[in-house]
Amino acid sequence: GENVEQHPSTLSVQEGDSAVIKCTYSDSASNYFPWYKQELGKRPQLIIDIRSNVGEKKDQRIAVTLNKTAKHFSLHITETQPEDSAVYFCAASMGSNDYKLSFGAGTTVTVRA
Amino acid sequence: DGGITQSPKYLFRKEGQNVTLSCEQNLNHDAMYWYRQDPGQGLRLIYYSQIVNDFQKGDIAEGYSVSREKKESFPLTVTSAQKNPTAFYLCASSTVGDEQYFGPGTRLTVT
Repeated sequence: GENVEQHPSTLSVQEGDSAVIKCTYSDSASNYFPWYKQELGKRPQLIIDIRSNVGEKKDQRIAVTLNKTAKHFSLHITETQPEDSAVYFCAASMGSNDYKLSFGAGTTVTVRA
Repeated sequence: DGGITQSPKYLFRKEGQNVTLSCEQNLNHDAMYWYRQDPGQGLRLIYYSQIVNDFQKGDIAEGYSVSREKKESFPLTVTSAQKNPTAFYLCASSTVGDEQYFGPGTRLTVT
C-alpha cells in the first residue's frame, strides 16, 4: 500500500517567517494530495490540495508544490501568524480509483510571536 | 460544520466491554471512513465503505467491526479484542476522489 513520510515532525518559526513541510510518497499511482490542518482538540480540516496534473497551487499565504518524478510534495506557508500554529498532515490517494487516504505522521507548527 | 456528526464526544468504558461509536452524515456522500488518531502517529485507517452494505478493512482493522446499512450512517464497534482501544476516533465522508470531511471525533478511554 501507499506509504507517506512527513518531515519535520516539529517546526518552530518566528511570526512573519515562512514554514515549509515536506512529504514523500511511495506509490506512483497516487494522484491526489491534500493537506489538513488540525488545531488542538478539533477535527482536521482541508487547507489545500493538489492533483497530479499540476505542479503548484496557491491560495493566499498557502502553496503546495508537487514533484511527481521524485514523488514528493511540499506545503509552504508564508508570512506566518500565531493562528497558523497547529498540526499539519499531508496525505496521498489514487483519487477516483481509490478513496483511501494515506496520511503522514504530522508536523506540529509553532509560530512564535 | 460540514454535516457530519459523531457521538458521544467522550466515552469511558471498562476493559472487556464492547462499545459502539456513532457517525452520521447528511452530505449525501457515498464513501465513509473511520480513523484512529494517537499522539505522534497521524491518522490510521480502520475501515472504509464506498457504498451501502459494503466495506473494506483499512490498515488497523483488528479488534474493530463496522456496518453500513444506510448511506448516512457508519457505526464503529470497538470490541474487547482490541488490545489498546484508548484513542481519539475520527469519522470522515467524501464523494468520489474528493475532499474528506471529518467529524468532531470521539475520545474513547478504556480502563
